[in-house]
Amino acid sequence: KQEVTQIPAALSVPEGENLVLNCSFTDSAIYNLQWFRQDPGKGLTSLLLIQSSQREQTSGRLNASLDKSSGRSTLYIAASQPGDSATYLCAVTNQAGTALIFGKGTTLSVSS
Amino acid sequence: EAQVTQNPRYLITVTGKKLTVTCSQNMNHEYMSWYRQDPGLGLRQIYYSMNVEVTDKGDVPEGYKVSRKEKRNFPLILESPSPNQTSLYFCASSFGGSALDTQYFGPGTRLTVL
Repeated sequence: KQEVTQIPAALSVPEGENLVLNCSFTDSAIYNLQWFRQDPGKGLTSLLLIQSSQREQTSGRLNASLDKSSGRSTLYIAASQPGDSATYLCAVTNQAGTALIFGKGTTLSVSS
Repeated sequence: EAQVTQNPRYLITVTGKKLTVTCSQNMNHEYMSWYRQDPGLGLRQIYYSMNVEVTDKGDVPEGYKVSRKEKRNFPLILESPSPNQTSLYFCASSFGGSALDTQYFGPGTRLTVL
């Protein structure tokens, strides 16, 4: 059964720092991987979707990489800002393509 | 504005009193699903729908019902709520008939069952 793990559970950094969030999954036979952002009291916002055939995707200050063989993905955030403070979730699609399997998230706090 | 809406956003109810949480999307998406989020357990899928009149169970369907009579709406029904259904509920949708496309989530419904 696919399991998704995110380490660390929480991270605090000063503004301006570059940082990496980690996501690992147990079954490398995935269709794609998505990174989401969750703000308190709000829903999840999709940040990046990486297809299984891709190695990375970029959107602004965000860069997500995927290494299927090792079961890992990283989300790189450049020049962090206080507005980046949120919980970041990664998810892979299950084998049937009917559901997302989520990690428990990394809560990021960026101080000014 | 393209969005997924949920109502109500907050609900406190008592054990056994039937309730419905509505979900609506205005993006003509085929796929819709419901998740619950609990501390320490993360997000888990309750039910999903690949198209009108096509629904199926997710990982935690016990105590819930759904229907998909129209493409835009996917209500979640709790016929006899119990305290273990206290949770944060999210509706999601995507363009294709599966979970393979970018998922768009609603703002969440915080449910408390006393």
